[in-house]
Amino acid sequence: AQKVTQAQTEISVVEKEDVTLDCVYETRDTTYYLFWYKQPPSGELVFLIRRNSFDEQNEISGRYSWNFQKSTSSFNFTITASQVVDSAVYFCALTWGYSTLTFGKGTMLLVSP
Amino acid sequence: NAGVTQTPKFQVLKTGQSMTLQCAQDMNHEYMSWYRQDPGMGLRLIHYSVGAGITDQGEVPNGYNVSRSTTEDFPLRLLSAAPSQTSVYFCASSYGLGGVQNTEAFFGQGTRLTVV
Repeated sequence: AQKVTQAQTEISVVEKEDVTLDCVYETRDTTYYLFWYKQPPSGELVFLIRRNSFDEQNEISGRYSWNFQKSTSSFNFTITASQVVDSAVYFCALTWGYSTLTFGKGTMLLVSP
Repeated sequence: NAGVTQTPKFQVLKTGQSMTLQCAQDMNHEYMSWYRQDPGMGLRLIHYSVGAGITDQGEVPNGYNVSRSTTEDFPLRLLSAAPSQTSVYFCASSYGLGGVQNTEAFFGQGTRLTVV
């Protein structure tokens, strides 16, 4: 069975704080892909990153970084120096058969000024 | 660059009514999916298609019907609407989410459906 767990339902931080969003997954597949999507208050889904199961290198993109650890089945997302515009719901997702995604329940991030 | 287009954006239905949510993509993607988003539940897969003429059920298919007669279109039909189908519906398309190509799932803007 596939499963993605985002244990943090809601996180509140003050601007400029660093924040880490946790994602733990379960799959029997040996090859799989992990994604993070952002859903701002306007409601659309914005793609952030795709990582395959063979690539455990951490990735940094501006203030965003991702830590993939296969040994703990985790794919955590860190925002450095958070900003109000980072306020959104963030979803972690796992491929299911390469054609669809299994999503976690999401983490709502609230960044206050 | 239209991407994935969903219509309508908002809809109110009465219990028992039927309707079709439209989804069209102009990226020549083989893979298309429908998800529903409910508070605290994330996105759950309703139905998906891996090409024209091929569809399959996802996690929550009951009460919904799909068909895929063309690559571009993947409509979702509610056969007899129930209050439990009140949700936000997202359509997605992709070239396929695995393989060497660095692909993503592209999502439509969503349809907010209320069943009263």
